[in-house]
Amino acid sequence: DIQMTQSPSSLSASVGDRVTITCRASQTISNSLNWYQLKPRTAPNLLIFAASDLHNGVPSRFSGSGSGTDFTLTISGLQPEDSATYYCQQTYSIPITFGGGTKVEIK
Amino acid sequence: QVQLVQSGAEVKKPGASVKVSCKVSGYTLEELSMNWVRQAPGKGLEWMGGFDPTHGEIIYAQKFTGRVTMTEDTSTDTAYMELSSLRSEDTAVYYCAADSGVQGPPNYDYWGQGTLVIVSS
Repeated sequence: DIQMTQSPSSLSASVGDRVTITCRASQTISNSLNWYQLKPRTAPNLLIFAASDLHNGVPSRFSGSGSGTDFTLTISGLQPEDSATYYCQQTYSIPITFGGGTKVEIK
Repeated sequence: QVQLVQSGAEVKKPGASVKVSCKVSGYTLEELSMNWVRQAPGKGLEWMGGFDPTHGEIIYAQKFTGRVTMTEDTSTDTAYMELSSLRSEDTAVYYCAADSGVQGPPNYDYWGQGTLVIVSS
């Protein structure tokens, strides 16, 4: 199984800050990497697919980069509504696996 | 507008089974690759299985093989996930998550609202 390691597990930042979350795969996954946002009591939302493509309707302050084993989700200009937990997911091979999550809090 | 609407919360005793439904609208079920993902309290997301379009069949995570059955009723555009021999560790929110296949490598662009399953004696 491909292990997905996210860091940090949590962070606290101020409105307007630039926030970076990293995700490392235990083996190469090409660009088969997605990012999701989870808020309590709501369904997860797809933010980024194929490592760097912005899903429809997602604010442009979210961006993704990377390929192979190392990936990054960046929020440029953190907003209060970005308080959530973020997960990376690899769909390169079965079983599909997720990172452990990064909880983002607003100071 | 695509919607995935799941069945309501369930409380089950250890050893019982639970069947969660996921009704699709705005697409047909045949147009989607449906997957099931769960999140236990305080834990992360866990893929349970789903339709693999490459092989044209439903594939289960090894952890759940023998205990989970995923089915699809294309006449009603409803997907089902049945988990048997429930134990307390199966207490979780269960999501159906669909890949429309319109963009890039597999990704789940549509999600159900989640179904809370509580396993307790």
